[in-house]
Amino acid sequence: EDKVVQSPLSLVVHEGDTVTLNCSYEVTNFRSLLWYKQEKKAPTFLFMLTSSGIEKKSGRLSSILDKKELFSILNITATQTGDSAIYLCAVEGDTGTASKLTFGTGTRLQVTL
Amino acid sequence: DTEVTQTPKHLVMGMTNKKSLKCEQHMGHRAMYWYKQKAKKPPELMFVYSYEKLSINESVPSRFSPECPNSSLLNLHLHALQPEDSALYLCASSAWGDGYTFGSGTRLTVV
Repeated sequence: EDKVVQSPLSLVVHEGDTVTLNCSYEVTNFRSLLWYKQEKKAPTFLFMLTSSGIEKKSGRLSSILDKKELFSILNITATQTGDSAIYLCAVEGDTGTASKLTFGTGTRLQVTL
Repeated sequence: DTEVTQTPKHLVMGMTNKKSLKCEQHMGHRAMYWYKQKAKKPPELMFVYSYEKLSINESVPSRFSPECPNSSLLNLHLHALQPEDSALYLCASSAWGDGYTFGSGTRLTVV
């Protein structure tokens, strides 16, 4: 069974801090790892990672995948209150007939003034 | 069009009612998904359709019945639900290398 573990479960930081969110996984027939941000509604796509060691960057957010150690991190620099959300890591596995996403429990990030 | 559209956004139904959730995408994605998300929990996979055929059913109770009439539409028919089925129901679509796109969800309350 595919498994995704995120840490920490929750985090409170001050505006301007840098945070690192962790995601480890076990999956049959790995296809990709995805990061999402979820506030009150549906998850919003952040990154899709398929290759080891290649950093993906979008503004203050960046992410990298280690396929050997089965691990990914999401970094947020110069955090803002608008970054407060749940950050979900999900792994896409190929079942042979279809692919499916398995989500971790998420990291709840709160950024305070 | 890069969106997945779900209707309705909110639904309140009684335990004897029959209702349907609808999902539509026009990105040409051939895989579509239903996820259920309870409060403070991650989304959990319910069903996967690949090329309009049901590929994965994650042991979902029969009171949930999915349907894929064509490559753009996905329905979830609901009948005789229980209060514990109240949740956010998310539809998603995907194509290889294109990631997954989620709809905004239907927040379902069963009374």
